[in-house]
Parts: sequence; C-alpha cells; structure tokens
Amino acid sequence: ETGVTQTPRHLVMGMTNKKSLKCEQHLGHNAMYWYKQSAKKPLELMFVYNFKEQTENNSVPSRFSPECPNSSHLFLHLHTLQPEDSALYLCASSQGQRQETQYFGPGTRLLVL
Amino acid sequence: GENVEQHPSTLSVQEGDSAVIKCTYSDSASNYFPWYKQELGKRPQLIIDIRSNVGEKKDQRIAVTLNKTAKHFSLHITETQPEDSAVYFCAAINNDYKLSFGAGTTVTVRA
Repeated sequence: ETGVTQTPRHLVMGMTNKKSLKCEQHLGHNAMYWYKQSAKKPLELMFVYNFKEQTENNSVPSRFSPECPNSSHLFLHLHTLQPEDSALYLCASSQGQRQETQYFGPGTRLLVL
Repeated sequence: GENVEQHPSTLSVQEGDSAVIKCTYSDSASNYFPWYKQELGKRPQLIIDIRSNVGEKKDQRIAVTLNKTAKHFSLHITETQPEDSAVYFCAAINNDYKLSFGAGTTVTVRA
C-alpha cells in the first residue's frame, strides 16, 4: 500500500490559485502516469513519463503542467483551474512504459471552487 | 484509439451468488486485459489479468474469459462475499501500450 504515495490527499482551491500535486513511487519503476477519475466516467490518462521523459500528453489543457525531475517523483502543477476539473487525480507507476501492470497511488481528491 | 465499454454500470448480488461483468473493446490489436478493483476511498488495484493468447484464467473465486473473435472479455466472481463490494474496472492495452479503461461497475454484495 505504500509503494506509490500521493500528497495532498485532499485539496480545495479557487480558480485563481496555483497548487501542485506530488507523487512518489518506491518501487524502482521507470514509468509514471497521471490519471483523472471523474464520477461515472472511465479513468482518463493525462500524462505518461518514461525515464523522466514525457512520452504522452493526452490532449490535456495547459492549465495542467506535469513535471518529472527523476524516475521516482512526479508532479502536477495546477493553475487557473475550472470547476469541471474537480476530480480524483491518480498517479500510477510501472516497471517500464511497456510493462502492463500499473500500481496506483491513493489519489488526490481535488475540488475547484 | 481503443474504446472499452463495460456493462453493467451497477450490479447488486446476494452474498454467495455469482457476479459477472462484461467488457468489449474496439482495437483488434489489443493484447492485454487487466481488471482493477477499487474499494470505496481506496486506490485501484490489479486483481487479475489475461493475455490474448489465453482464453480463460482463474484465481480462486475470480476468473476472466476472453473471446478475441468477438472482442469481449468478462470477469466472473463466484461465491461473492461482502468484501467483494467495490468498483471494478476493465482495461485493454493495444500495441502502442496505451491502457484504456472501461467506465467501471459498482458491485454491491447484499448480506
């Protein structure tokens, strides 16, 4: 349960705020992912990093800005978000991008007012 | 890209009965199909997976079947227990190694 951690677990922010979500994996993996989980909708892949390089940007608005300083850490910087961005943001990691099994973090529950 | 559809969206079963969740996928090149379980307030966790060269796989009370011709795969839970109550997600990976998820099935096991 502690292989992939995320902070904060809950976040409330205004539309003019700037905040960052943090993900850390302790599994020695090389690929990390950001997903958005909204009610009644499939998990949406946002970004993929493999060996610190971004390999996937799934048409995500620029108000979401990822950062991967090393293979163990992944950030999601948020600015000027909209209320519809309220969701659970999940981080995941896998051994490599071509390894299918992904391990998820507990998520950050984000509410944009 | 891959499109994964999952049915039903909610499923209520009596404890001890079986539960079946079905998923269809669109990309015939998809070759790996994991199932994730997400309990309330917790992270999704892999519970079973199947590859395209296998038709069925079992792990205790959980089984998954795959029909490549029809492009559908199913999760079967037998002898359901209260701790099986959760949201279950199917997913498919294609040759580009992109994981596409179904919308989820909320399973409630009634005592």
